[in-house]
Amino acid sequence: ELQLVGSGGGLVQPGGSLRLSCAASGFTFSSYWMTWVRQAPGKGLEWVANIKQDGSEKYYVDSVKGRFTISRDNAENSLYLQMNNLRAEDTAVYYCARATLYLNYWGQGTLVTVSS
Amino acid sequence: DIQLTQSPSFVSASVGDRVTIACRASQGVSSYLAWYQQKPGKAPKLLIYGASTLQSGVPSRFSGSASGTEFTLTISSLQPEDFATYYCQQLNTYPLTFGGGTKVEIK
Repeated sequence: ELQLVGSGGGLVQPGGSLRLSCAASGFTFSSYWMTWVRQAPGKGLEWVANIKQDGSEKYYVDSVKGRFTISRDNAENSLYLQMNNLRAEDTAVYYCARATLYLNYWGQGTLVTVSS
Repeated sequence: DIQLTQSPSFVSASVGDRVTIACRASQGVSSYLAWYQQKPGKAPKLLIYGASTLQSGVPSRFSGSASGTEFTLTISSLQPEDFATYYCQQLNTYPLTFGGGTKVEIK
């Protein structure tokens, strides 16, 4: 069964850091681009970052450039999002998703709350 | 950045109704447009990709079409399980962007 299980969310103070993880199973993880998408409470979806199969290409939305880093470990079938210098506006549910260009499978999401 | 404008933002409809949701792109995205359905507290689900191709397992009452930079999602006969929020997304150009969403509620 195909699964994407996100973890690592929680409450963090402004300026703090958090590392999200997404454990993949049920498919050949190394064959797919992977994506992070977030959704602020009561708001719409926002694409955050993409990473190529071998990690050689990474793309970010402007609002997180220089603060967030997407990475992956194909040996561990895991996707990561390192989030530094967090701001209140980063508060959201963060979803990892598998991309065959289109986001055809999503994890359940992990909540990040940035607040003092 | 490419802006996607969805309309309407809210639809009140009855079971059996035909529902049409529009998504207008601020510039060309070719056919690199997808539609997703999201129910409360759940992750989005891919419905349509390539502007008009139905994702495997999605009921045939859902369809997508395109004309230039105007894209449409149609639900031919609304079912109880279709009450949800729908989003379009363009995957032609970085940064990838989503529309603001259309909430379909029971009349």
